[in-house]
Amino acid sequence: QVQLQESGPGLVKPSETLSLKCTVSGGSISGYYWSWIRQPPGKGLEWIGYIYYSGSTNYNPSLKSRVTMSVDTSKNQFSLRLRSVTAADTAVYYCARHNFSGAFDIWGLGTMVTVSA
Amino acid sequence: DIQMTQSPSTLSASVGDRVTITCRASQSISSWLAWYQQKTGKAPKLLIYKASSLESGVPSRFSGSGSGTEFTLTISSLQPDDFATYYCQQYSTYSRIFGQGTKVEIK
Repeated sequence: QVQLQESGPGLVKPSETLSLKCTVSGGSISGYYWSWIRQPPGKGLEWIGYIYYSGSTNYNPSLKSRVTMSVDTSKNQFSLRLRSVTAADTAVYYCARHNFSGAFDIWGLGTMVTVSA
Repeated sequence: DIQMTQSPSTLSASVGDRVTITCRASQSISSWLAWYQQKTGKAPKLLIYKASSLESGVPSRFSGSGSGTEFTLTISSLQPDDFATYYCQQYSTYSRIFGQGTKVEIK
């Protein structure tokens, strides 16, 4: 069955760039939309943006100026870059797959990223 | 942007209770609404998509209804495994906005 795994540094310094990858196993990245979602400690879910396997993207307007997503179909991976991070970007970051309807049917386990000097 | 408002924020209930959570959209989203369950320290799990379609493997005590701007998630008989936080999410527009969550606690 399809599984997602987030990977990347757990600690990022303020003003630097947060970079995460999501690796898709047990299935192909092709044909689907893929999202990044984050959850600050003790708070709710915030959608960051999505990318289609072809590379087209759509970002949350509140983060759009700092976000870039990309996809590498040869590696079955997609990536998130968030620039100029602050403590407010500290969160668990999840990747997820969109089902045919558009809901998020498969999620990674999540990775905690802390922004601190 | 469309805003999603859930109520209540917290709900105290007992095993066997019928539980209803409401989600309201600031404008019509047709039936483009999903419900997720999240337990502490775990990733969210899809329960319902397209307002009323039960995701494969999800117990039939979960059901969703509504269209337009008002939606409900109902648990017909609350089980110990159901104590968790529930989120609605709209996917009518390019943005995929979540509600603020409803925590279901043991009474």
